Formats: sequence, structure tokens, C-alpha cells
Amino acid sequence: EVQLVESGGGLVQPGGSLRLSCVGSGFTFSSYAMSWVRQAPGRGLEWVSAIGGRGGDIYYPDSVKGRFTITRDNSKNTVYLQMNSLRVEDTAVYFCGTERWFGGLLTLDYWGQGTLVTVSS
Amino acid sequence: QFVLTQSPSASASLGASVKLTCTLSSGHSGYAIAWHQHHPEKGPRFLMMVNGDGSYTKGDGIPDRFSASRSGAEHYLTISSLQSEDEADYHCQTWADGFHWVFGGGTRLTVL
Repeated sequence: EVQLVESGGGLVQPGGSLRLSCVGSGFTFSSYAMSWVRQAPGRGLEWVSAIGGRGGDIYYPDSVKGRFTITRDNSKNTVYLQMNSLRVEDTAVYFCGTERWFGGLLTLDYWGQGTLVTVSS
Repeated sequence: QFVLTQSPSASASLGASVKLTCTLSSGHSGYAIAWHQHHPEKGPRFLMMVNGDGSYTKGDGIPDRFSASRSGAEHYLTISSLQSEDEADYHCQTWADGFHWVFGGGTRLTVL
């Protein structure tokens, strides 16, 4: 059974930093690209970063580029999201997921349960 | 701009059917999409991906009650024989080179 478990969320002041972790099990972790997606209160889902199976092919949307860094340690079946210079608008539940291609569509076929990040003074 | 539009809410009675809509923005009607179900306090669950021709591939363990179709720029997720556990948020999503990930705003389904 595929499982993804996020951790590391919490309350942080604006301008602060936080590192999220996502541990995968039940699949060959290094074979899968991974993404982080977030959902702010009352809002829809927003993709925030992606990383290839071997740690290359890293992507970010403009909203987090230069502030967030995604990495992975395949020996620990873990993907990380280092979040710096946090803003109030980064407040959200952060989910990790396994990427899968279906023809020309890239989607997440397994998701974690999420970890809450609150940026507030 | 690549936008997916969903109604914010929908409702239907226990045991009935409901059809949720995801509309692709002009010029993008042929794109494939995915549907994800999201119960509050839990992680989202991949339901299925839907090709541009309306054929679909379901995720692991998704019941036959869930199906998909499309007409032009509109994609539909149909849930038949509604059960209480179907009450959730439903998100459509696509991916396009240059736009990367695009999500709709989600539809909150209430089972009456």
C-alpha cells in the first residue's frame, strides 16, 4: 500500500523558515517524481514545486521561486520542502504527492494527508 | 491564460446521481484532465484521468459509481447511487507545458 506522510508544519512568523518532510512507503521511491501542492484556507489547490526521481528536473511556480527549495533523499524515501522568507499568504495545508504521466497529462496519483503551515505574527 | 472553472457547490440526495462540471478556458478544450476527491481533514484522492476524447482511466479502488465524460470544453464527473461518504470537495486538474499545473477552484458536494 502506497503511503505518504508529511510532517514539519507549524506556526512561524512572517519572514521565518520551515522545512517540510514527506516520507513515502509501499513503492520504489526513487522511481517517482514528487510534487508539493498546497491549499490555503477557503481556496483551491495550488502546485508549489516538483522534483524528478533522481533529484533533477526541479520546477517552481513564480509565487514561490527563490524562496522555496525542494530536495529529496532517496536513501530515506523522503522529499523535503525548505520554505524561507515565509509570507502570510503561504499559510496553507501542504500535501506531497507522487507524479504520474497518463499520456500527455501529468497528475498526482497518490497524496499524503497534509501538514498545516501557519504564517502569522 | 489557462483556467479550469468549477461551480463552488453542488448538492444531490442520497442514492441519486450528480454531475459535476469542469470547464476549460478558450483554446484549451482538447486537454486531458484529472479529477481528485478531497475530504476535509484528509489528503486528496486521485479518482481518474479523462482523455481529450472522453475516455478515462481510474485510480486504484475507485468504485464503478464514478464515471467521466466530456462535451467540447466541458468535462463531467458523474457520481451515481450517491453515498454519504461521497460528500467531499472535487477538484479538476490539468497540466500543460509552460503553464505546468492548473487546478480548478473545486466543487463542494453536499449529499442531502
